[in-house]
Amino acid sequence: DQQVKQNSPSLSVQEGRISILNCDYTNSMFDYFLWYKKYPAEGPTFLISISSIKDKNEDGRFTVFLNKSAKHLSLHIVPSQPGDSAVYFCAASGGDDKIIFGKGTRLHILP
Amino acid sequence: EAQVTQNPRYLITVTGKKLTVTCSQNMNHEYMSWYRQDPGLGLRQIYYSMNVEVTDKGDVPEGYKVSRKEKRNFPLILESPSPNQTSLYFCASSLWAGANYGYTFGSGTRLTVV
Repeated sequence: DQQVKQNSPSLSVQEGRISILNCDYTNSMFDYFLWYKKYPAEGPTFLISISSIKDKNEDGRFTVFLNKSAKHLSLHIVPSQPGDSAVYFCAASGGDDKIIFGKGTRLHILP
Repeated sequence: EAQVTQNPRYLITVTGKKLTVTCSQNMNHEYMSWYRQDPGLGLRQIYYSMNVEVTDKGDVPEGYKVSRKEKRNFPLILESPSPNQTSLYFCASSLWAGANYGYTFGSGTRLTVV
C-alpha cells in the first residue's frame, strides 16, 4: 500500500509561471513532510520541509502547504526557472525510523 | 566538504557474482540508509542503521546484506546478484533517525546485473 502518493508523473510549466507539485498521504501518523529535488546523475537533495503543526512553510521561491484534514501537501515554486527542471520527491515521516518517499514528479520548465 | 561517497558509480556484473557497494560519510552521522530507485516505483528503502552494529530491514531487503562496523561506513552487499536487482542505488545519512534532520544522499550507483 502506497502511503505517499504523487499522482502526476510529470508536469510542464512555462518559465516565470508558478509550478505546483502535489502529494497525498494516507497515514495520519505522519507528522513531518519533506520535499527533495533530484537532478540526473545526482543524489536527491533536501529542498524544504514542514511539520504537521504548521500549514505553510516558505523558503525563497519555494513554499510548501499542508492540509492535514485532506492529507494533502503541495510545493509551490514561484517564479519557475530553468534550473528547477528536475524530479521532485515528496516524503513523510511518522516519528519512527523511516522516511517514506513518493514515486516522484518530473518537472519540466519550458522556455 | 560534508558528503556521502558511494563507489562505484557504475557497475555491470553477472548473475551470482558477489559484489559490494561502499558508502562512506564524513559528517559523523549516526543514521545511514540504503535506497533503490526504479522507474515508476520511486525510492524504496533496503536497509538502515541507527548506529554502529545496529542494522534493520527496510521495505525491500531481500537479496541484500549490510554491515555497520564503524560509524562512517555502511556497505551494501549482494551475495548472489540477480537481474531484478538492476537498479539505481543511493546511500543516505542523517545526524539522527527521523525526518527532522533530513538526509544527505550520495550520488548514486547504477548497477546492471546480466
